[in-house]
Formats: sequence, C-alpha cells, structure tokens
Amino acid sequence: SQQGEEDPQALSIQEGENATMNCSYKTSINNLQWYRQNSGRGLVHLILIRSNEREKHSGRLRVTLDTSKKSSSLLITASRAADTASYFCATPTSGAGNMLTFGGGTRLMVKP
Amino acid sequence: EAGVAQSPRYKIIEKRQSVAFWCNPISGHATLYWYQQILGQGPKLLIQFQNNGVVDDSQLPKDRFSAERLKGVDSTLKIQPAKLEDSAVYLCATRAGNQETQYFGPGTRLLVL
Repeated sequence: SQQGEEDPQALSIQEGENATMNCSYKTSINNLQWYRQNSGRGLVHLILIRSNEREKHSGRLRVTLDTSKKSSSLLITASRAADTASYFCATPTSGAGNMLTFGGGTRLMVKP
Repeated sequence: EAGVAQSPRYKIIEKRQSVAFWCNPISGHATLYWYQQILGQGPKLLIQFQNNGVVDDSQLPKDRFSAERLKGVDSTLKIQPAKLEDSAVYLCATRAGNQETQYFGPGTRLLVL
C-alpha cells in the first residue's frame, strides 16, 4: 500500500493562479519530499521538509508539514504553463536503506 | 554533472519475450534504485543497491525479474518472460552518500503486447 496519497488526483487552473496539492501519509516520518514529473520524463526533486519544520519555501513553491495530521501541502504560486506536470509526495519507507514510498500523484494542468 | 542515463528509452515486445534495461548512475552515487511506474500511478520501488550489494529486493517479482550491479556502477534490470501487466515505465534513480534526494533517469517505457 502507498504511504502517501495526494489530493486532488487532477487539477486544472489558469496561468497566474495558485495551485495547492495535498499529501496524507500513514506512519511517523522524519522528512517528506515533493517531486515533479513532466510527461515522458523522470522525476525531479523539488523540496524536502523535515519533521521539525512546519513550512519551507523555494522560489514559487511553499510546502507545509503538519505531523499531527500526517499531512503536507505543496503550493505553487503564480502558476505558469511550464508548471504542467505530475507532482508526487514521497516519504521514507519503514526499514533500512533510505527507501522512498511515493503517492499516486496530482496531475496539474496550467492553461495559458 | 551528467545525470542518470537509461537505455533504451522505449521498448515494445511480445508477452513471454525477454527484455533488459540499462542504467548508468551519476558518478560517485553509491545507491541505485529501480522503480516500476504504471500509467497514472506513482513509482513503486523494485530493488535498491548499495554499491554492488542488494539492500532490499522485497518488492521484486523474482520469478521473472532480476537485477544486477556487478561492479557497483552500471546496473541492468531484466524481465524474463514478460507479461502484459509488466507494461510500465522503468525508472532508475541514484543517491549520493547520506543525501535524501534521489536523482532519476528519464526511464524506459515498456509495452508488452
């Protein structure tokens, strides 16, 4: 079963609007990562937030983490057509080896 | 620095045939992962290597899938024989030292007919 689940599964917005994607997970974690995947490409790391952080910014990205609710959100501000992609949250899989478990992803479409 | 390289990018085979995928990691990255990504889903880990040793292969269907990283650098993933449900993108990712970030290759898109 997947550790993280994204919501919504799909999101369509106009350029310039903000996009918010949510991720819920099941077990305790020490960090959570967000990745982006453009169509036909591999995943690209966006941002990592640690369990002792509540919010983190990187450019137009803002990530929050609420460990009490076991949830995280990714906000993309002032979206651009180039932000069209799938976004995945990833959490450490229990056990050794620094493995990640990915959610099902949110497919974002930004219309020009 | 050069990224993770994978080949081939696309492969179409018939069921029961064999197929192999190749991954060349970022130089110096000791940890290598193979993921299977079915259309519309997130990547699912198949196997993790640390140098030339297997760390975890609990999700690898060992009756048909095999993987190796003999010299601790390049890795190959093989499917023999392939089934229709193996149609997916196979992603290779690598990681350096104690970093949490994984770097992904472009993937190999497999279609089994």
